[in-house]
Amino acid sequence: AQSVTQPDIHITVSEGASLELRCNYSYGATPYLFWYVQSPGQGLQLLLKYFSGDTLVQGIKGFEAEFKRSQSSFNLRKPSVHWSDAAEYFCAVGGPNAGGTSYGKLTFGQGTILTVHP
Amino acid sequence: NAGVTQTPKFQVLKTGQSMTLQCAQDMNHEYMSWYRQDPGMGLRLIHYSVGAGITDQGEVPNGYNVSRSTTEDFPLRLLSAAPSQTSVYFCASSPWGRYNEQFFGPGTRLTVL
Repeated sequence: AQSVTQPDIHITVSEGASLELRCNYSYGATPYLFWYVQSPGQGLQLLLKYFSGDTLVQGIKGFEAEFKRSQSSFNLRKPSVHWSDAAEYFCAVGGPNAGGTSYGKLTFGQGTILTVHP
Repeated sequence: NAGVTQTPKFQVLKTGQSMTLQCAQDMNHEYMSWYRQDPGMGLRLIHYSVGAGITDQGEVPNGYNVSRSTTEDFPLRLLSAAPSQTSVYFCASSPWGRYNEQFFGPGTRLTVL
């Protein structure tokens, strides 16, 4: 069964500092990996995704993530955090089912709440 | 395009009442799904549909029914609400061939007393 672990429930950083949010996954084949962001009272917005190819993927709002197969990780990074980045971040894994057809069964991690201090 | 819309935004029910959460999308997406979000548990898949007339269960389907009579709409029904169904519910959709690239609605916050 597929699963996602986000080890950090809550992270606090100062504005302008760098950020890394951790994500570890379990999946039986090549995974599709995603990071979503959720602002308070809002739905989820896709930050970036990895399907194949270059293991360093760029997303919106200056975020990037690196897929490391050997470590089963897909950590999210940003070199300089802005106050508007305060939100909850979710890592998700999905991919083709046993029949080879991608039915979009995303499994989400528990989420990491990011607080940004001025 | 309005994207994925959900109604109502907030709802309070008493135990045993029934209701339907509405979800609609105007992007002609084949795939639609319902998730519930509970603190510390991320999002969990309730039901999903790969097209009109086709639905299947997700991770936590008990207590919920769905149907998909049109491409646009995917309502979620609670037949007899229980306090354990207090949660935030999200609907999502994605286009053919890109089922993992899901677009989420704004959510419905449901409280069952």
